[in-house]
Amino acid sequence: EAGVAQSPRYKIIEKRQSVAFWCNPISGHATLYWYQQILGQGPKLLIQFQNNGVVDDSQLPKDRFSAERLKGVDSTLKIQPAKLEDSAVYLCASSLRPWGQGVEQYFGPGTRLTVT
Amino acid sequence: AQTVTQSQPEMSVQEAETVTLSCTYDTSESNYYLFWYKQPPSRQMILVIRQEAYKQQNATENRFSVNFQKAAKSFSLKISDSQLGDTAMYFCAFMKQSGGSNYKLTFGKGTLLTVNP
Repeated sequence: EAGVAQSPRYKIIEKRQSVAFWCNPISGHATLYWYQQILGQGPKLLIQFQNNGVVDDSQLPKDRFSAERLKGVDSTLKIQPAKLEDSAVYLCASSLRPWGQGVEQYFGPGTRLTVT
Repeated sequence: AQTVTQSQPEMSVQEAETVTLSCTYDTSESNYYLFWYKQPPSRQMILVIRQEAYKQQNATENRFSVNFQKAAKSFSLKISDSQLGDTAMYFCAFMKQSGGSNYKLTFGKGTLLTVNP
């Protein structure tokens, strides 16, 4: 079975520019997550979708970050405008369901963002 | 708030030996999940093992097993017959239901394991 796909793998932008990341989850997975992983730390949840609805975006900096999951499949995460502290790896994950059997999250390869 | 603590920032082990990574967590909930994830230098996060809190039996997956002590809120990972490919950052993670359809996975800071030939 194909895994979680993400693109691009690397991105370098200047501060105040905008950037977008794309994620395609495992087929049939209803739940999709975006995480931010700063170097040397564990991933931190930014936003969680159940199908195409937002379940949790409490840690998403909404003044600059936005995300959508159209048709309950692919998702995009956007940063506008970017700040230096946004330099991190952005991980997308998906699970069959948010609880119970199939709760395991499977991660994509991530996008390494460098803001200069 | 839930916290996950991994007290060993770095560990090393000789190939073919056994190593144990520790993890403690803090929660007042009785129903939750615990996971160990592995992140090799290539960066892809890989699920190693999962444990449901209501199950008393410790989970095992080939060379990987856990020691789940619910009362002590401890969840250690044992890797037997260590291989060079086990070199990675290992993250302990905790998930509980927060009400409604909100479920959140909280990660520890990780333990960098190096397997030496």
